Amino acid sequence: ILNVEQSPQSLHVQEGDSTNFTCSFPSSNFYALHWYRWETAKSPEALFVMTLNGDEKKKGRISATLNTKEGYSYLYIKGSQPEDSATYLCAFITLGSQGNLIFGKGTKLSVKP
Amino acid sequence: DTGVSQDPRHKITKRGQNVTFRCDPISEHNRLYWYRQTLGQGPEFLTYFQNEAQLEKSRLLSDRFSAERPKGSFSTLEIQRTEQGDSAMYLCASSLNGLAPNTQYFGPGTRLTVL
Repeated sequence: ILNVEQSPQSLHVQEGDSTNFTCSFPSSNFYALHWYRWETAKSPEALFVMTLNGDEKKKGRISATLNTKEGYSYLYIKGSQPEDSATYLCAFITLGSQGNLIFGKGTKLSVKP
Repeated sequence: DTGVSQDPRHKITKRGQNVTFRCDPISEHNRLYWYRQTLGQGPEFLTYFQNEAQLEKSRLLSDRFSAERPKGSFSTLEIQRTEQGDSAMYLCASSLNGLAPNTQYFGPGTRLTVL
């Protein structure tokens, strides 16, 4: 069974705080790692896809890193804003699969004004 | 808006009834996936289409579930004789086949409640 673990499960921060989440995944047969942001009543939104060990991606105040050898990825949000409130999901794809995503349970972020 | 639409957004049904959901992917995308998210879990893969061919089915997809993608465009997911355990959010995603890891674009989901 392939497991993706995300921590923490939930996070409450004040506006302006910086925060980070962790995603752990099996390091063998790795192909790609995705991060999604899912706001209530909306579609999950793709943030990043990473494939190479050491990859770093950035989109505005959000950035992500990837370590495929030890099987983890970090997502950082700098200066959190209330509109960042959402569930952040990571998902990985195994080598040789049909591309189906294996998701973690997500980290629910709440940012208070 | 990701460009993927799902209908209906919400469905309440009684146990034992049949339900059908529809997904309209981004028009040029040839890959289509169905996922299910139950309370407290991340989305779980159900099935995958490349064009009109259903190429993979999860063991989560019992005999009561059937999915189709006629003509390789929209897809339907039918659940027969619904059970309370089928209550979940059903998500559809589409992507374009290519050499790079394919970003899957998700619809807003259909939330099913089985009473």
